[in-house]
Amino acid sequence: ETGVTQTPRHLVMGMTNKKSLKCEQHLGHNAMYWYKQSAKKPLELMFVYSLEERVENNSVPSRFSPECPNSSHLFLHLHTLQPEDSALYLCASSQVASGGTNEQFFGPGTRLTVL
Amino acid sequence: AQKVTQAQTEISVVEKEDVTLDCVYETRDTTYYLFWYKQPPSGELVFLIRRNSFDEQNEISGRYSWNFQKSTSSFNFTITASQVVDSAVYFCALSEWGSARQLTFGSGTQLTVLP
Repeated sequence: ETGVTQTPRHLVMGMTNKKSLKCEQHLGHNAMYWYKQSAKKPLELMFVYSLEERVENNSVPSRFSPECPNSSHLFLHLHTLQPEDSALYLCASSQVASGGTNEQFFGPGTRLTVL
Repeated sequence: AQKVTQAQTEISVVEKEDVTLDCVYETRDTTYYLFWYKQPPSGELVFLIRRNSFDEQNEISGRYSWNFQKSTSSFNFTITASQVVDSAVYFCALSEWGSARQLTFGSGTQLTVLP
């Protein structure tokens, strides 16, 4: 595997289900991100894990819970979602160094549908 | 606060035409990065270019060229001799210097290249 991979690619879940999205990066990067992409809206940054520090967008509901066990893996745990949470969830990684920002590399995304 | 505006929601051109995608940004930072990404129907965002705010030299890569005008806060993207495979959503993005967290995306421009 190369680059950034995400599983599953498609997920349909009910509002009472609990599921997890998985992301793995094979680029040796030290930062990982979760984005939400809804139709007709800009990409929304949800969470960042950078150099073992977690940064989150305060507008993200608590029904989304990230986990980053190591620098190569990132999870997004989902529980009691709402239909408006249906979207494409994108994972990205980058190499963060002092004094500079490097480009982020994205995975193919998980298309989530909440019924 | 940072903001990226892509005023062109959708553009359609006929193959072999040139097309320019506009990007205007707002930031209070004196140093920053600008990016362009391509999102084909498969969903994965593909990195195209990163530009530092202190480097206003235009760049050309094959059929792609970028025009960075700091005076007008614009970072436009031109595709020369467009091809059907160029059909995708193109995103312009901005990040502050030295941070992995503040990648702000525009709303994207859907480019359709007709045969």
